[in-house]
Amino acid sequence: KAGVTQTPRYLIKTRGQQVTLSCSPISGHRSVSWYQQTPGQGLQFLFEYFSETQRNKGNFPGRFSGRQFSNSRSEMNVSTLELGDSALYLCASSLVTRVTDTQYFGPGTRLTVL
Amino acid sequence: GENVEQHPSTLSVQEGDSAVIKCTYSDSASNYFPWYKQELGKGPQLIIDIRSNVGEKKDQRIAVTLNKTAKHFSLHITETQPEDSAVYFCAHNAGNMLTFGGGTRLMVKP
Repeated sequence: KAGVTQTPRYLIKTRGQQVTLSCSPISGHRSVSWYQQTPGQGLQFLFEYFSETQRNKGNFPGRFSGRQFSNSRSEMNVSTLELGDSALYLCASSLVTRVTDTQYFGPGTRLTVL
Repeated sequence: GENVEQHPSTLSVQEGDSAVIKCTYSDSASNYFPWYKQELGKGPQLIIDIRSNVGEKKDQRIAVTLNKTAKHFSLHITETQPEDSAVYFCAHNAGNMLTFGGGTRLMVKP
């Protein structure tokens, strides 16, 4: 079974631009969660989608948004990029939306904001 | 979510020795405690998890212990090998999300 895939793997953007990242979950998984990983703040939860609905949201500004499609693929968008948005963005998929379900992470998208 | 403190931040051991990483949490409602291993250039991979109805779980050279009264849980790796070198993260469910510790960089010297 193929794992979680994320595209692109690397991105370079400039301040003020927007970016869209994509995540394809493991086949059959319906929940997708997004995390931001930085050296200073560690792994922080952004949001979770299940059945095309946002189920949970972390403590991030409204510039961070996401969506999920009917095939469970998910995208996250960051608008008006700031230098501090430079990070590894990880998505994780699980079968259902219980927080105690095992989450399988993708390799991440490395975003650099100049 | 509630914070989880992880110690040590770095750990260097000789090949064949044991390694222990400890985490402390504050949310008494937490009942799921996974451990992830992250190698360079990869996403975190689940290596073991424990739920609050048990105090210890083993999988070959890896074990996790949980003390719900003291609100701490630990990862134990025995007979360490160079391929165990990575960053390890503890996590727990705080509300409806997973909250992660700050990570431990484990270096196993051959």
